[in-house]
Amino acid sequence: DSGVTQTPKHLITATGQRVTLRCSPRSGDLSVYWYQQSLDQGLQFLIQYYNGEERAKGNILERFSAQQFPDLHSELNLSSLELGDSALYFCASSAQGGYTFGSGTRLTVV
Amino acid sequence: AQSVTQPDIHITVSEGASLELRCNYSYGATPYLFWYVQSPGQGLQLLLKYFSGDTLVQGIKGFEAEFKRSQSSFNLRKPSVHWSDAAEYFCAGYSGGGADGLTFGKGTHLIIQP
Repeated sequence: DSGVTQTPKHLITATGQRVTLRCSPRSGDLSVYWYQQSLDQGLQFLIQYYNGEERAKGNILERFSAQQFPDLHSELNLSSLELGDSALYFCASSAQGGYTFGSGTRLTVV
Repeated sequence: AQSVTQPDIHITVSEGASLELRCNYSYGATPYLFWYVQSPGQGLQLLLKYFSGDTLVQGIKGFEAEFKRSQSSFNLRKPSVHWSDAAEYFCAGYSGGGADGLTFGKGTHLIIQP
């Protein structure tokens, strides 16, 4: 157990729908990162939050958004889903440059 | 642009043989560098990391990596592989400063032959 918790582990949904992925960071870590892993794009950084504030953006689509709550858990919202959004979505938390990843949420869009 | 390159998509090694997985980076300054391993259907597990100092870094599971500034490389090594080492290996870099995500290489798929 890495200490980073992601739910759900698997999600199957239809095109056009909206889903929310949840991440709880390791105790004491203030930074949360979201990554997408797909066969064609590999592992891509989406967005970072630090203590509730957006800190950095990577290759995140406008249909995707995230937030970090006062208890430091984070949610990644994916809307108007397309078949190409099917991927493994990872959350990581960080303290002093070390990154710890959760086990991921596998999203399948049908 | 910052980048991390893993030149080998697949590597096949016999059990008990030594292993070296290649990683090259392109950053303006010395980046923080990481090696992660991913087993099928699993998350990413950190093997080792380099921030500064000693260029030979020891990690978990008997892995080590050597940072070579002159070659812009951070290759992962293991003296004797086990069948359980079969997995996908990712090299990643981070420029520092606190406001950035990791840049990953495309990964190297390690196959262990009996």
